[in-house]
Amino acid sequence: EVQLVESGGGLVQPGGSLRLSCAASGFTFSSYLMSWVRQAPGKGLEWVANIKHDGSEKYYVDSVKGRFTISRDNAKNSLYLQMNSLRAEDTAVYYCARDLGYYYGFDIWGQGTMVTVSS
Amino acid sequence: SSELTQDPAVSVALGQTVRITCQGDSLRSYYASWYQQKPGQAPVLVIYGKNTRPSGIPDRFSGSSSGNTASLTITGAQAEDEADYYCNSRDSSGNHYVFGAGTKVTVL
Repeated sequence: EVQLVESGGGLVQPGGSLRLSCAASGFTFSSYLMSWVRQAPGKGLEWVANIKHDGSEKYYVDSVKGRFTISRDNAKNSLYLQMNSLRAEDTAVYYCARDLGYYYGFDIWGQGTMVTVSS
Repeated sequence: SSELTQDPAVSVALGQTVRITCQGDSLRSYYASWYQQKPGQAPVLVIYGKNTRPSGIPDRFSGSSSGNTASLTITGAQAEDEADYYCNSRDSSGNHYVFGAGTKVTVL
């Protein structure tokens, strides 16, 4: 079964750090772009970052650039999001998604992990 | 502009047809993909590319595009189609993605 499972969410104080993980199974992880997408409570979806299959290129939404780092370990079939200098506005459910490129969309999503930034 | 604009909400009678639109400059260059999200669940891809449904998506869902507007049509809406629908595409730079704010579809 093709599956993505996120972990690592939780409550963190403003200015703190958190590392999210996404474990992939059921497909050849190393062949695919991967993205993180977030959704603040009661709000819409926001693309956060993506990474090429080999990690050679990474792109970020402007609001997280310089604070968040996307990475992957193809040997472990895992995607990561290191989040530093967290702000209240980063509070959201974070989803990892298999990224087939702009034409094909995000075809597989995890169940999401909640990040709450609050004192 | 890197924004995609959607109507906040639409309603449709059971069995009737509803069209959800998404407007943005980037849609002149890139196709939109469409996602269905029900409360407490992850989004599900329902349409991508010119008009392609992933496996398992009912054929009552279809997509189209003209100029700066992409559309998702549900022909013969069912109660289970009640959900939020989001469009997504590249932004004008081509390296980033952008989502519309979402359209809440209510089936009456």
